[in-house]
Amino acid sequence: QVQLQQSGPGLVKPSQTLSLTCVISGDSVSSNRAAWNWIRQSPSRGLEWLGRTYYRSKWYNDYAVSVKSRITINPDTFKNQFSLQLNSVTPEDTAVYYCARDQLLFFGELLQFDNWGQGTLVIVSS
Amino acid sequence: DIVMTQTPLSLSVTPGQPASISCKSSQSLLHSDRKTYLYWYLQKAGQSPQLLIYEVSTRFSGVPNRFSGSGSGTDFTLKISRVEAEDIGVYYCMQSIQLPRTFGQGTRLDIK
Repeated sequence: QVQLQQSGPGLVKPSQTLSLTCVISGDSVSSNRAAWNWIRQSPSRGLEWLGRTYYRSKWYNDYAVSVKSRITINPDTFKNQFSLQLNSVTPEDTAVYYCARDQLLFFGELLQFDNWGQGTLVIVSS
Repeated sequence: DIVMTQTPLSLSVTPGQPASISCKSSQSLLHSDRKTYLYWYLQKAGQSPQLLIYEVSTRFSGVPNRFSGSGSGTDFTLKISRVEAEDIGVYYCMQSIQLPRTFGQGTRLDIK
């Protein structure tokens, strides 16, 4: 059974960097049948996909245009986890942040966000 | 970006009665691989969203068969045949035919 366990600070000052980690158990960050996503949720923006990392003979990343200049998602194969870094944060980045898995089944079915982390409320405030 | 529009935004249903949520996308979700990439999630109070339905109509593991999904192209529907108390929460549709993944605004279901 896959579990995603998030960690990271709940308070970040404006202009600083938001950093979160998602530890994977029951699957591998290097799986060629999975992708690893960050999603956030706020009252003003609803559920917003931020980006993903995945391995298909090499590592790939995709990012939402809205955060592309500020975001980095990195896999860590040794610790079997992946991380989110969001630079130059403002109060508009205040949200609950989730990590989530995509899984491609052997018959070709795509399970989008079939497992989620517990969520981390990050408040951007001085 | 593909815009996902849900109606209604809130729904109050008597236990045992049916419920229906509509989701419309601004572009067709039918891929050239002939699959349609429309998903439904339920977020219960204080919890992360959970996958209910994938690729329009397939129930995810453990999802009761009172939940069903249908639709094609740009118009989709989630139906609950007989609402139970444990079904309360906010329902979201989402598209994954293209990046960025986008969600509907959510439909809040409560019990009368």
